[in-house]
Amino acid sequence: GENVEQHPSTLSVQEGDSAVIKCTYSDSASNYFPWYKQELGKRPQLIIDIRSNVGEKKDQRIAVTLNKTAKHFSLHITETQPEDSAVYFCAASTEASGTYKYIFGTGTRLKVLA
Amino acid sequence: GAVVSQHPSRVICKSGTSVKIECRSLDFQATTMFWYRQFPKQSLMLMATSNEGSKATYEQGVEKDKFLINHASLTLSTLTVTSAHPEDSSFYICSARPRGSNEQYFGPGTRLTVT
Repeated sequence: GENVEQHPSTLSVQEGDSAVIKCTYSDSASNYFPWYKQELGKRPQLIIDIRSNVGEKKDQRIAVTLNKTAKHFSLHITETQPEDSAVYFCAASTEASGTYKYIFGTGTRLKVLA
Repeated sequence: GAVVSQHPSRVICKSGTSVKIECRSLDFQATTMFWYRQFPKQSLMLMATSNEGSKATYEQGVEKDKFLINHASLTLSTLTVTSAHPEDSSFYICSARPRGSNEQYFGPGTRLTVT
């Protein structure tokens, strides 16, 4: 089955700097890769996603890149702000049996220092 | 749009009792609903996938007789933790997937404490 690894587990950056979180996946059939932000005790919120037919997607300060050959994808946050502090999870999804289930990475705790 | 609710948000129960958690998609029909478990400072672990009107598919290592899932309609799925034990204490989160979409919309979670 699919296995998703995520690095780093914790990341501290100064306000205004960039943050990069990387994930690798094992199943070449995975074709959808969402990123979620989760604040303490809250539900995960989708922040950006990318499909396997696209190499890069950007939404304001957030971008995601995908390398299908190497089976890895990354989240880039520029001009970080204190409110970006949260836990970020990547996921890989496969259209196996039509269920589109997600396998999540282990999470990255991002702390933006003011 | 795409709002998912969960009830209750918190529940405390005694060891040996059963607890039911409801997950509802409020403004869309959910072809598939998923149940996750999240321990403190850990990732979301998929427990099972349920499609409306059919039996749930459980992930490896998840006891189907302990975690009963019912997907009674396109807007409601329930998870019943039977004969709960303290080690079942966790944060349980559901998500719902609209027809034709890859995206999952998450509920706010239920914190279960078994004493």
